[in-house]
Amino acid sequence: QKEVEQNSGPLSVPEGAIASLNCTYSDRGSQSFFWYRQYSGKSPELIMFIYSNGDKEDGRFTAQLNKASQYVSLLIRDSQPSDSATYLCAVTTSGGSYIPTFGRGTSLIVHP
Amino acid sequence: DAGVIQSPRHEVTEMGQEVTLRCKLISGHNSLFWYRQTMMRGLELLIYFNNNVPIDDSGMPEDRFSAKMPNASFSTLKIQPSEPRDSAVYFCASSLPAGAFFGQGTRLTVV
Repeated sequence: QKEVEQNSGPLSVPEGAIASLNCTYSDRGSQSFFWYRQYSGKSPELIMFIYSNGDKEDGRFTAQLNKASQYVSLLIRDSQPSDSATYLCAVTTSGGSYIPTFGRGTSLIVHP
Repeated sequence: DAGVIQSPRHEVTEMGQEVTLRCKLISGHNSLFWYRQTMMRGLELLIYFNNNVPIDDSGMPEDRFSAKMPNASFSTLKIQPSEPRDSAVYFCASSLPAGAFFGQGTRLTVV
């Protein structure tokens, strides 16, 4: 059973702070890792993907991957109230199917 | 690029009725997923198509659920007969190695 675990939150941070969202996965064969943002009542929106160990930065977002620890995280710098949403971690495994397995998501609240 | 388009956006139906959800895909994306999202269970994969062929339907809850993909740009998910526990948001998504792209979803309420 492939599992992706996230703390449901809510994670509350003040505006301007760094928000740190974490995700662990069970399948060591996992190869691709994704972060999605979902606003209330909307569909998930892809914001980051990472394949290799280390950090990947895109604007205010940094994804971090540690395959040895089976751990992936998302850092949001200079958090804004508009970042308030649920963040879903997703993992795909090898084999060419690219079927994402999703975590339950972490609710982030950025308060002014 | 019109994205992934689902219809209807909202559906309210009575228990026992047939429900058909529709999805139109981005041209050139070969993979399609149907997901169901509830507060209790999060996003659950129902079925996965690749090149119009169902590859993995192990997530389809029971025989009341069926899905088809008659061509590369269109898919349907049918529930017959519907039950109140089927109430959820149903998402269709197309996928590339760089990630999945979701439609707006269909919010289904079975009363």
